[in-house]
Amino acid sequence: GAGVSQSPSNKVTEKGKDVELRCDPISGHTALYWYRQSLGQGLEFLIYFQGNSAPDKSGLPSDRFSAERTGGSVSTLTIQRTQQEDSAVYLCASSGRDRTSTDTQYFGPGTRLTVL
Amino acid sequence: AQTVTQSQPEMSVQEAETVTLSCTYDTSENNYYLFWYKQPPSRQMILVIRQEAYKQQNATENRFSVNFQKAAKSFSLKISDSQLGDTAMYFCAFMNYGNKLVFGAGTILRVKS
Repeated sequence: GAGVSQSPSNKVTEKGKDVELRCDPISGHTALYWYRQSLGQGLEFLIYFQGNSAPDKSGLPSDRFSAERTGGSVSTLTIQRTQQEDSAVYLCASSGRDRTSTDTQYFGPGTRLTVL
Repeated sequence: AQTVTQSQPEMSVQEAETVTLSCTYDTSENNYYLFWYKQPPSRQMILVIRQEAYKQQNATENRFSVNFQKAAKSFSLKISDSQLGDTAMYFCAFMNYGNKLVFGAGTILRVKS
């Protein structure tokens, strides 16, 4: 089946603007994760969804960052009033709980965000 | 909090040779998963291999195998018969059940012809 997809692939925005990043997980996967990959900080966890609820949002760096998931499927990560330090690759991953892939996270291709 | 350390920022290997990438981790948990992911220049994070901590047998996937030493908290990746397509950044990652991945800083592997 199809893998995790993310859109847009690249996003260039001006400082102070809001951006929305989208993630479509593998069909049937109940868990969804957002990570951020930047040169200075490496790979950092942002938020985890189980179904539509977010039991762990401890990695969100500030209240400018929010995320939601609807219908147990698509997720949107929103960054308000973007800053230059938000420039990074945002990766989404999903995992299912079937017998062969329990807890293994499969990643999308990422969205590269550049804040000018 | 768990931490993952990859002490080799860069490695090089000749095509067809064997290379080992190092990873150590710190945790007080007894049950967890360990992973190696590969990230080529395309940016796509690809699962290479995974190991459940309760399994003593080392995981293998074709040319890729791990040396899992639970007491030493060590999880190295061996790539045999290296191929040009193995050139990528390799990340070691830790996860306890149902939770987030904690990544190491990564090792850039270059396979030379």
